[in-house]
Amino acid sequence: GDSVTQMEGPVTLSEEAFLTINCTYTATGYPSLFWYVQYPGEGLQLLLKATKADDKGSNKGFEATYRKETTSFHLEKGSVQVSDSAVYFCALSVTGNQFYFGTGTSLTVIP
Amino acid sequence: KAGVTQTPRYLIKTRGQQVTLSCSPISGHRSVSWYQQTPGQGLQFLFEYFSETQRNKGNFPGRFSGRQFSNSRSEMNVSTLELGDSALYLCASSLGTGGYGTEAFFGQGTRLTVV
Repeated sequence: GDSVTQMEGPVTLSEEAFLTINCTYTATGYPSLFWYVQYPGEGLQLLLKATKADDKGSNKGFEATYRKETTSFHLEKGSVQVSDSAVYFCALSVTGNQFYFGTGTSLTVIP
Repeated sequence: KAGVTQTPRYLIKTRGQQVTLSCSPISGHRSVSWYQQTPGQGLQFLFEYFSETQRNKGNFPGRFSGRQFSNSRSEMNVSTLELGDSALYLCASSLGTGGYGTEAFFGQGTRLTVV
């Protein structure tokens, strides 16, 4: 079945450090891939998405490339800020408004 | 435009009771999905409604049910509550017709505590 495996956290980084959160997926069809972010006490917000192989999604300095050959969609940011502290979820969707989420990676950025 | 509205934000119920949660999607969105978020199981898909019909269903017992009204608002009902039903319940709204790659917009969730 469809599933997402995400790097376990928590991750703690110093401000301006480089961030990578690994995400791999298994899908029977041709999924679209997403990264969502959740701040404390909030719902999920879309961070970026990619709908086909080799697409790169980007937003607010975050990037992820849809790699079909490695079934991966790793999230990267060159220089994190304290305000990036949140929980990050990798997700896929094959059909409709049905998403499969990874377990989430908690990121804390310290000044 | 207004976002996804979930009510109530917090609920405390007793084991054996039933509960109804509400979700108002973004205007023009016809698809509403529900998710359960717990520390142990993460985010799990419950079901999706599109134009008042259940279109997809996750692997949850029949105690979990939902419906959608003609104005696209959706309700989720959990009967005979168990302690393990304590969770954050999230509603996601989308156009529903875009298919491939259509993003979902999430509400802030309803925090249900069963005691």
